[in-house]
Amino acid sequence: AQKITQTQPGMFVQEKEAVTLDCTYDTSDPSYGLFWYKQPSSGEMIFLIYQGSYDQQNATEGRYSLNFQKARKSANLVISASQLGDSAMYFCAMREGVTGGGNKLTFGTGTQLKVEL
Amino acid sequence: DAMVIQNPRYQVTQFGKPVTLSCSQTLNHNVMYWYQQKSSQAPKLLFHYYDKDFNNEADTPDNFQSRRPNTSFCFLDIRSPGLGDAAMYLCATATGPGSNQPQHFGDGTRLSIL
Repeated sequence: AQKITQTQPGMFVQEKEAVTLDCTYDTSDPSYGLFWYKQPSSGEMIFLIYQGSYDQQNATEGRYSLNFQKARKSANLVISASQLGDSAMYFCAMREGVTGGGNKLTFGTGTQLKVEL
Repeated sequence: DAMVIQNPRYQVTQFGKPVTLSCSQTLNHNVMYWYQQKSSQAPKLLFHYYDKDFNNEADTPDNFQSRRPNTSFCFLDIRSPGLGDAAMYLCATATGPGSNQPQHFGDGTRLSIL
């Protein structure tokens, strides 16, 4: 079973509008973290936002916010006031557990976002 | 600025000719990772170092090796590259286990095989 599911291979949004990118996850570990990364066509992975499983409030970072619904195991990324520079691939990722040396991430398959004029 | 640096950005090698990709970091992070990302796919973890401890993923081919001579540097060696190894290779670092700090990625090396 997939641990991270992103069901939207591609999304379009008008400039200045808000857009929600979906992410659901599967884990039995009570302690986990969820990350969103942006990958422009140039290839670098840019960290956007983090949500911990025990965090009481939804994370926000500037125009990015995370709609965390723990019971539904979803962690959707909301981008407000979209800009042309937001066009990129967006990956949701999960870190499970607190033990072990790796702090490993499992990535979803990504959503390609295109911002239009 | 503290960062993760990968060299070169683009690498072309011949089928079967060994190639080494390099990664350096100024973040003083304990953990360094190597990911392989093929076109339109998610990054796939190959292996990671936690300090000097090497951790190989179960499905990483034997063709891929890694070295970490010190905290700052980590190398990815592909002993006999095949056409299927053409991909973006991403290096990342992190502070350690159970942290809410993100992995920090380099800009990647795009590897082409002729």
